[in-house]
Amino acid sequence: KQEVTQIPAALSVPEGENLVLNCSFTDSAIYNLQWFRQDPGKGLTSLLLIQSSQREQTSGRLNASLDKSSGRSTLYIAASQPGDSATYLCAVPQAGGYQKVTFGTGTKLQVIP
Amino acid sequence: GAGVSQTPSNKVTEKGKYVELRCDPISGHTALYWYRQSLGQGPEFLIYFQGTGAADDSGLPNDRFFAVRPEGSVSTLKIQRTERGDSAVYLCASSLGPAGDTQYFGPGTRLTVL
Repeated sequence: KQEVTQIPAALSVPEGENLVLNCSFTDSAIYNLQWFRQDPGKGLTSLLLIQSSQREQTSGRLNASLDKSSGRSTLYIAASQPGDSATYLCAVPQAGGYQKVTFGTGTKLQVIP
Repeated sequence: GAGVSQTPSNKVTEKGKYVELRCDPISGHTALYWYRQSLGQGPEFLIYFQGTGAADDSGLPNDRFFAVRPEGSVSTLKIQRTERGDSAVYLCASSLGPAGDTQYFGPGTRLTVL
């Protein structure tokens, strides 16, 4: 059974700082890995999806990397802004069923103006 | 275009009652997922539909939970004899196809069982 861990659970940084969020998974035979953002009381918004054959994906100030062999992914946020404050979740398909997705518990980010 | 919508946004019910939660996926999306999210946790997979059929219902916690998608679009999650432990946010997501495509989430239904 796939298990996904995210560290740290919470992070508080001053505006403008670059930061890295970590995601680790136990089964490296993944189909893809997806990063989401969740605002309080809201659903999830997809940020980046990395296919298993890729090593990284970029969208604006966000960059996600994937190292399947070590079971790790990182989400890099450049020049953080107060609007980036949210909970960030990574998700991977469970082994043997790529439609059955396992989520981490998330990292709650606060960017202080 | 319109995103995934879920109704109601909030549902308060008494222990032992029956509830139905509705999900309207993005038009044209063949895959539909239900998740349950408890406070401070990531979403937990419940069931996945490809078209009208439940391709994987292994995440449903017990036989009080049931979901349908009769016409391959709207889905309803049904919970019988609700228990206080069923209180959570129920999230629905849809994707264009089954092959690990990006999932688009609705805002969720917050269920509170008193």
